[in-house]
Order: sequence, then C-alpha cells, then structure tokens
Amino acid sequence: DAGVTQSPTHLIKTRGQQVTLRCSPKSGHDTVSWYQQALGQGPQFIFQYYEEEERQRGNFPDRFSGHQFPNYSSELNVNALLLGDSALYLCASSLAISPRGTNEKLFFGSGTQLSVL
Amino acid sequence: LAKTTQPISMDSYEGQEVNITCSHNNIATNDYITWYQQFPSQGPRFIIQGYKTKVTNEVASLFIPADRKSSTLSLPRVSLSDTAVYYCLVGDGDSSYKLIFGSGTRLLVRP
Repeated sequence: DAGVTQSPTHLIKTRGQQVTLRCSPKSGHDTVSWYQQALGQGPQFIFQYYEEEERQRGNFPDRFSGHQFPNYSSELNVNALLLGDSALYLCASSLAISPRGTNEKLFFGSGTQLSVL
Repeated sequence: LAKTTQPISMDSYEGQEVNITCSHNNIATNDYITWYQQFPSQGPRFIIQGYKTKVTNEVASLFIPADRKSSTLSLPRVSLSDTAVYYCLVGDGDSSYKLIFGSGTRLLVRP
C-alpha cells in the first residue's frame, strides 16, 4: 500500500515564474493538506482540501492556490514566485472523520524542495 | 490563534529516557494533542496522539494533565536513531482545521 507520494522531489524556478506541485494521498484517504516548511522552521499550514473544495486556509496570499481531483489527489499552484517561497512543500493526507482537524492522523509525503532563484 | 511552546533543543545519551514538554493555550475542548517526529528531508511522522491523562504505544508515552494546557512526550531508552525534530500539534481553538505546528524540539542523542 503506497503512502503519500509527491512530485517532483526537487524543483528550481526563477522569480516571477509559476509552479505546480502534485500529491497523491494514502490509499483510502479523502483529505489533503498542504504545508510550507522553511529551513529550520516548523511546517506552516497553507490549506486543506476535502470533497474537492478548500475547507480551510492559513495565512498565505492568493498566489497560493490548490485543487483536489475526484480521485482525491491534489495540486498546489504558486504564481509569481518570490525568493521567500523557497521551502520544502509537504502534502499530508488523512480521513475526514470529524470537523475537528486535530483528531485526524496526518500522513505526510517526503515533500517537494522548491528553490526560487 | 493557538500557540505552542517547546524547548528549542535537547541533548541526551543512548539508553536514557527523554521527556519533551509542550505548552499550548486555547486548545479546543474536542481537540487532541498529537506529536510528530521529523528527520531531515522527510515529512513528519506520527508518533502518538492523546486527549487526556496518559497514552502509551510501542514507541512513546504521552502525559496530559487535567487542564490540558500542556503535554509531555516521553521516549524511553532513546537510541541514536531517535535524533530528530519533535513537533507538538494541536488544533487551533478559533479555526479547527488550521493545524498549528509548534517550533519543534531538536533532540540530539549521543553515543
């Protein structure tokens, strides 16, 4: 049984470009959350998708957008890249069994390391 | 917004017991406290989750006092492979889906 898979593993972009990161959740999971982790920092919540809709969003600008597909996989899009967007982007999947997110056990992928030059 | 506070770093030696404490305010009544472990260039990995009192599994114990404003992760007899960053995770009392990671505790286990 495959866990959470993310692609690509590494990506290099230049300022102003756009990027799309992909995530396939653990088998049987229906909820996908995205996190940004800067070097030496804890993961910061970007947003969560459930039933193909954004259920909640963290303090990230509209340049960050996402999508969830009927098979529960998800994409994270970042437009107009800034140097400060360089980070490890983590996808986590879970089962949405309650409206209280903390009760869910998150399964994380290994992340996509994005470097913006 | 809920905020968690953990020690920035801890040092230990192989075979010792390590206790890492996390302080958290505004924890919601129905929220659980969850701890994750993260190795470099990997995503966090679930360790243990609890609501109150004590929870134990094959790798750790979690102690939560009655007021639930803190929790302590206990790792028995650590080994070199336990060197990692440990995060305390609680739900945001104002926005239940906005999960907040703490700053993390960098545990270094020495031979």
